[in-house]
Amino acid sequence: DIQMTQSPSSLSASVGDRVTIPCRASQSISRYLNWYQQKPGEAPKLLIYATSNLQRGVPSRFSGSASGTDFTLTISSLQPEDFATYYCQQSYSTPYTFGQGTKLEIK
Amino acid sequence: QVHLVQSGTEVKKPGASVKVSCKASGYTFTNYGITWVRQAPGQGLEWMGWISAYNGNTNYAQKLQDRVTMTTETSTSTVYMELRSLRSDDTAVYYCARVVVGAYYFDYWGQGTLVTVSS
Repeated sequence: DIQMTQSPSSLSASVGDRVTIPCRASQSISRYLNWYQQKPGEAPKLLIYATSNLQRGVPSRFSGSASGTDFTLTISSLQPEDFATYYCQQSYSTPYTFGQGTKLEIK
Repeated sequence: QVHLVQSGTEVKKPGASVKVSCKASGYTFTNYGITWVRQAPGQGLEWMGWISAYNGNTNYAQKLQDRVTMTTETSTSTVYMELRSLRSDDTAVYYCARVVVGAYYFDYWGQGTLVTVSS
């Protein structure tokens, strides 16, 4: 199985900050990497698919990039509604594994 | 608009089975798949498997292979997930989500169904 590693498990930042959330795959997954946002008590929401494609309706302050097996979700200017947990997920091969999540907290 | 509506909360005893439904609307059902993802209390997301609404083909996570079955009912655009031989560590919120076939990302999610397994 492909392991997805998200470290750190939590991150503190302030409104207006630029934030990067990393995710590493245990082997090559091409560009089959997706990002989800989850707020407490809610279902996950797709933000980015195939490494860098913004899902319809998601603000343009969210972006995704990759270098080899390292992937990054960037939020250019944090808004109050962005404090949540972020999960990466590989869709290269089954089982379609998720990272453990990075919780973005208010500093 | 795409909607996935799941059945309600379940409480089951160890060893029992549970069947959760996911009714889709707002799109052509057979053009996509449905996946199931669960989340134990305070934990991360665990992929359980997916089913093609086009031909009913399934792919399950190996750890659940012997206990899970996913089925589709095309006439009502509904997908079912049955989990058997329930254990306390199956206690979780179970989500269905639409699968974009080919890229296999999950673009719309149901509201979640809490399944509690307790004696």
